Amino acid sequence: QSVLTQPPSVSAAPGQRVTISCSGSSSNIGNHYVSWYQQVPGSAPKLLIYDNNKRPSGIPDRFSGSKSGTSATLGITGLQSGDEAEYYCGTWDSSLSVVFGGGTKLTVL
Amino acid sequence: QLQLQESGPGLVKPSETLSLTCTVSGGSISSSNYYWGWIRQPPGKGLEWIGSLYYGGSTHFNSSLKSRVTLSVDTSKNQFSLKVTSVTAADTAVYFCARHYELGRPYVDHWGQGILVTVSS
Repeated sequence: QSVLTQPPSVSAAPGQRVTISCSGSSSNIGNHYVSWYQQVPGSAPKLLIYDNNKRPSGIPDRFSGSKSGTSATLGITGLQSGDEAEYYCGTWDSSLSVVFGGGTKLTVL
Repeated sequence: QLQLQESGPGLVKPSETLSLTCTVSGGSISSSNYYWGWIRQPPGKGLEWIGSLYYGGSTHFNSSLKSRVTLSVDTSKNQFSLKVTSVTAADTAVYFCARHYELGRPYVDHWGQGILVTVSS
């Protein structure tokens, strides 16, 4: 069981907007920065968002991140078929651990 | 650009020791503010952090694995390594080596391609 809680799956039609939630506690999300990753089957994860809402170079602004209290959210607008993947949130926990969410499978209908 | 590459056996027998090495190219393992870590992913499951080290030698581990895990670094070869002792089938996973920022903000900005390690007799 993961320290951070994500919905197992979300879906939306091409061109639509989708959000993926990541719920934690004061020992992790509540007091530390959140990052988000995209993983296509058979590949390593790729960093999409760091420090709650910053995008690395090369990540389109269709991807956004936000944090409020002990929860974080990844938003994807203008959905494309290529966005179908597993998405993970991650952060630091005060138990001195890197922790991840269980992952959310995004289906583009 | 920075690249990480895992190497090691893809098959390990139960009760034996899993050993993997990550070779870093295109950058120095002695970079300030960055940690070098291992993350694994059992088939069909999510990501699990194993542990991380700083080039100066400090190490940090997932408490559930700490008693079986050793991390080491060889700055002369720009490599770092993982050892997991007394493996069982539950240790079967794709193992990724990775670079992440400082411990309080551990975003992983570079990943290896991953190596599947199967524990089986």
